[in-house]
Amino acid sequence: RKEVEQDPGPFNVPEGATVAFNCTYSNSASQSFFWYRQDCRKEPKLLMSVYSSGNEDGRFTAQLNRASQYISLLIRDSKLSDSATYLCVVLSNDYKLSFGAGTTVTVRA
Amino acid sequence: NAGVTQTPKFQVLKTGQSMTLQCAQDMNHEYMSWYRQDPGMGLRLIHYSVGAGITDQGEVPNGYNVSRSTTEDFPLRLLSAAPSQTSVYFCASSKADEQFFGPGTRLTVL
Repeated sequence: RKEVEQDPGPFNVPEGATVAFNCTYSNSASQSFFWYRQDCRKEPKLLMSVYSSGNEDGRFTAQLNRASQYISLLIRDSKLSDSATYLCVVLSNDYKLSFGAGTTVTVRA
Repeated sequence: NAGVTQTPKFQVLKTGQSMTLQCAQDMNHEYMSWYRQDPGMGLRLIHYSVGAGITDQGEVPNGYNVSRSTTEDFPLRLLSAAPSQTSVYFCASSKADEQFFGPGTRLTVL
């Protein structure tokens, strides 16, 4: 079983729509969680950390559900520039980073 | 700040050739790492370093060597290239929990 699993998508949404997707992790002792954004043929960049209480950064909202071992990312009012692959990243209690394979989002005009 | 730089951007090798992928960072980060990214898979850790003179193996170290003689540089050496090493390679440095990635090297082994 992969340590971090994501629905690869693609999620095709019109501009202005809301899109949400999850990531599940297998290590219940994981301590930190992140969403990274990766544009086509580019390097990953940190989008946001995910806090236990949930957190929001502009149009992006991240949630953590420890009981069910998943994190989620919601994008409101989608823009064309949100088209990218979103990587779920989990830091275990022994400081090992595990990356999901990514969820691809395509926002169409 | 240039951040994390990698050279070359593209490389084609024949099976059995060796080469070194260069990585440098100017952020004075102690922790540096090398990942490979393959289709349908998450980034996988090859080797990492917690400071100059210290390196350790990651998840997929076979066929690769690293060294860390300075804080800034962390080269990755392919000893005898194999087609299975065709991939995109990312170098990263980190402070606290955030990883800063270089632009990547696309390697094809024929």
